[in-house]
Amino acid sequence: QVLLQESGPGLLKPSETLSLTCTVSGGSINGYYWSWIRQPPGKGLEWIGYLFYTDSTTSNPSLTSRVTISVDRSKNQFSLRLTSVTAADTAVYFCARDSDYGMDIWGQGTTVIVSS
Amino acid sequence: DTQMTQSPSTLSASVGDRVTITCRASQSIGNWLAWYQQKPGKAPKILIYKASNLHSGVPSRFSGSGSGTEFTLTISSLQPDDSATYYCQRYTSFSRAFGQGTKVEIK
Repeated sequence: QVLLQESGPGLLKPSETLSLTCTVSGGSINGYYWSWIRQPPGKGLEWIGYLFYTDSTTSNPSLTSRVTISVDRSKNQFSLRLTSVTAADTAVYFCARDSDYGMDIWGQGTTVIVSS
Repeated sequence: DTQMTQSPSTLSASVGDRVTITCRASQSIGNWLAWYQQKPGKAPKILIYKASNLHSGVPSRFSGSGSGTEFTLTISSLQPDDSATYYCQRYTSFSRAFGQGTKVEIK
């Protein structure tokens, strides 16, 4: 059974860099896309970007200039970096396995608050 | 970028009712559409992939249809456990996007 777990700091100050990691257990990172999605309080889901296991990445055009997604195959993890955060980046951040069958496995989500 | 628009934003229905949610794409996405159910404080769960394929373990009262630019999610007989927010999501080449969500309430 494949499980995903997000981890990272829960509180940031404006202008800092958000760094989150998603650990994949019970299966390999190979062969799939791996997405990051966020959900601001009381709002809908926003796709941030994905990484293909071959290291290619694509991100939401609205966030591209601030987003980096990377993979550490030795640890079966992939990561999100979002620079220059503001209060608008406050959200629950999810990682998910992504394929032709949709996003079929999700992490439980981690809350990130940006506040001075 | 192809935008996804869901309707209605909220609906209220009784147990046993047939419920339909619509998702429209601003340009054709073939059948690259998924539907998710999200309950408060939880991660979304996939219901349907490739527009009409039921994900393993999802009750058969859920069904999806459509292609191109117009898609529907139908719950054939609404159950109390179906109270949730539902999202459509396109997954075309090099891009993903969600609809704004439809909150389903039980009368």
